[in-house]
Amino acid sequence: DGGITQSPKYLFRKEGQNVTLSCEQNLNHDAMYWYRQDPGQGLRLIYYSQIVNDFQKGDIAEGYSVSREKKESFPLTVTSAQKNPTAFYLCASSRQGQGIYEQYFGPGTRLTVT
Amino acid sequence: GESVGLHLPTLSVQEGDNSIINCAYSNSASDYFIWYKQESGKGPQFIIDIRSNMDKRQGQRVTVLLNKTVKHLSLQIAATQPGDSAVYFCAETQYSSASKIIFGSGTRLSIRP
Repeated sequence: DGGITQSPKYLFRKEGQNVTLSCEQNLNHDAMYWYRQDPGQGLRLIYYSQIVNDFQKGDIAEGYSVSREKKESFPLTVTSAQKNPTAFYLCASSRQGQGIYEQYFGPGTRLTVT
Repeated sequence: GESVGLHLPTLSVQEGDNSIINCAYSNSASDYFIWYKQESGKGPQFIIDIRSNMDKRQGQRVTVLLNKTVKHLSLQIAATQPGDSAVYFCAETQYSSASKIIFGSGTRLSIRP
């Protein structure tokens, strides 16, 4: 049963704490992505990785960090430097190559920071 | 469910009627467009795509229309069913750019029984 898993579904943290969101895929996809979704807004790209041990900043990378040590895994750390971390976070993956390939999304993690 | 649908435009449709969801895209250089469906508490799912060399593409119960002159996309859903209730996003990108997809803010489709 292939797909993308994100855990946990809901996450609560106190302000000033770093928190790491998990994203795992067993689709053998090279590319992985992290998006943030806020009420009434479209998805905004935080970071993406096209290959293991390499990643690039998206449009709103400040206050976030990622790693890509394994093809299957692309964890996102929300640091205390992120001014407004409460949001719905979506991970996606896709094949990589010439042109665009369909992105498959995980179920998301709802992060609430108080 | 998730709060990501708050403050979105909403389209209310009678069950069995056709739905038309509209989207204006921003970049005239965009040449590839995608519609996603996001149900409450879930990640977006791909519905249908279209490249700029086409003005219409049909799938199962869905049709996407592209008007490049006015930078407008629409998603038509035939015989709308309760399971079609969701937030629908359009997305635009350039086909050669494998990583930068710009997502619209979405439209919530609500089905009346």
